[in-house]
Amino acid sequence: EAGVTQSPTHLIKTRGQQATLRCSPISGHTSVYWYQQALGLGLQFLLWYDEGEERNRGNFPPRFSGRQFPNYSSELNVNALELEDSALYLCASSLALQLAGANTGELFFGEGSRLTVL
Amino acid sequence: QKEVEQNSGPLSVPEGAIASLNCTYSDRVSQSFFWYRQYSGKSPELIMSIYSNGDKEDGRFTAQLNKASQYVSLLIRDSQPSDSATYLCAVFGGATNKLIFGTGTLLAVQP
Repeated sequence: EAGVTQSPTHLIKTRGQQATLRCSPISGHTSVYWYQQALGLGLQFLLWYDEGEERNRGNFPPRFSGRQFPNYSSELNVNALELEDSALYLCASSLALQLAGANTGELFFGEGSRLTVL
Repeated sequence: QKEVEQNSGPLSVPEGAIASLNCTYSDRVSQSFFWYRQYSGKSPELIMSIYSNGDKEDGRFTAQLNKASQYVSLLIRDSQPSDSATYLCAVFGGATNKLIFGTGTLLAVQP
C-alpha cells in the first residue's frame, strides 16, 4: 500500500516567487496536515484539512494557503516567498476526524518537500 | 510558555540502558498524546500514543501520562544504537484543536 506521497522532493525559488507543494494521502485517509520544519525549529503546524474542509491553521501569514481536493489530495501554496520560508514542508495524513476520534493525531508522514528560497 | 516543551538534549545513554524522555504541555484540556521518532534526514514516524493517565507499554517502549501534572514521558528499555534519533512529543489540544509538536529530544545511544 502506498504511503503519503509528496511532490516535488526539492524546489528552488527566488524571493517573491510562488511555490506550490502537493500531497497525496494514504488510501482511505481523508485528513491532511501540513507542517513546516525549519532548521532547529521543530515542526510548526501550518494547516489541517479534514474531508475537504479547513479545520484549523497555524500562526502563519495569509500568504501560506492551501486546499484539499475531492480526492483528498492537498496542495500548499506559498506566495511572495521570503528567505525564511526555506524549510522542509511535511504533509501527513490520518483517518477522518469523525473516524479517528480519540486517535486524532496518529499521523503518517510523507518524506517532505524541501523548499529553498534564494 | 511553549505549548509543548521538551529538553533538546542530546541525551546520551549507553547501549542496554533505559532512556527517559520527558515532555510537558500547557493546554489543560489536551486529549491525546503521541511520541514520534525522527531519524536524521527522514520524516517522523509514530511510535506510541497514549490517551489516559498511567502507563502504556509496547515492546521496549513505555509511555507515561500524568494529566494533573501535564506531563508525558517515554521510556526506552534496553536502548540500542538504532534508537538514536530525535524523539518528538506531540499533543492534540482540546482547546487549540490542532496537533502540536515539541522541538524534540535528540537521543544518542552509545555502543
